[in-house]
Amino acid sequence: GAVVSQHPSWVICKSGTSVKIECRSLDFQATTMFWYRQFPKQSLMLMATSNEGSKATYEQGVEKDKFLINHASLTLSTLTVTSAHPEDSSFYICSARPGGVQPQHFGDGTRLSIL
Amino acid sequence: KQEVTQIPAALSVPEGENLVLNCSFTDSAIYNLQWFRQDPGKGLTSLLLIQSSQREQTSGRLNASLDKSSGRSTLYIAASQPGDSATYLCAVNAWDGNKLVFGAGTILRVKS
Repeated sequence: GAVVSQHPSWVICKSGTSVKIECRSLDFQATTMFWYRQFPKQSLMLMATSNEGSKATYEQGVEKDKFLINHASLTLSTLTVTSAHPEDSSFYICSARPGGVQPQHFGDGTRLSIL
Repeated sequence: KQEVTQIPAALSVPEGENLVLNCSFTDSAIYNLQWFRQDPGKGLTSLLLIQSSQREQTSGRLNASLDKSSGRSTLYIAASQPGDSATYLCAVNAWDGNKLVFGAGTILRVKS
């Protein structure tokens, strides 16, 4: 149980392209979803927290106009990296959590490479 | 601001050894602490979760302890196997249970 699917697993695209990453909870309803970024040999850094039907809360230093988050349903959240540049290349991981203070369940991540 | 530190950054051991990974955190006002495993290029697998009121949790060959007052946790792996090779991440959940703060991880290699 508690499976989170993230798609795509790997994206390579040209600079200036916008890229959308999907995060789905397959067997539970996720009231809250989280988006993390991980640079090589570094830990996960929380980018934003999104609750279904409301605007995402972004961490300090994360540009909300650059990283658009939509959590339109209880099973789906999307992260769109707008006008991506090489410095946006990273490993992006989502997690989802049922209502209340429950553990987060993580997706397998998306490797984003901007040329 | 909560900071999580993991020591050592990397560890290489022969198969069969017992080993200890360390995690420390600066703010003891935590809701819980989790240990995760991350394989290269993959997401996270939760190994153990310790609530702030608990002292330890066990799962198979893994045992995690928590000393909240001193801001420390350890992950003990018994009889290590090559399949245990991975990065182990420690994360603390803020007092409101809404935010995980991760350490940088310990890269473990178990040699056969």
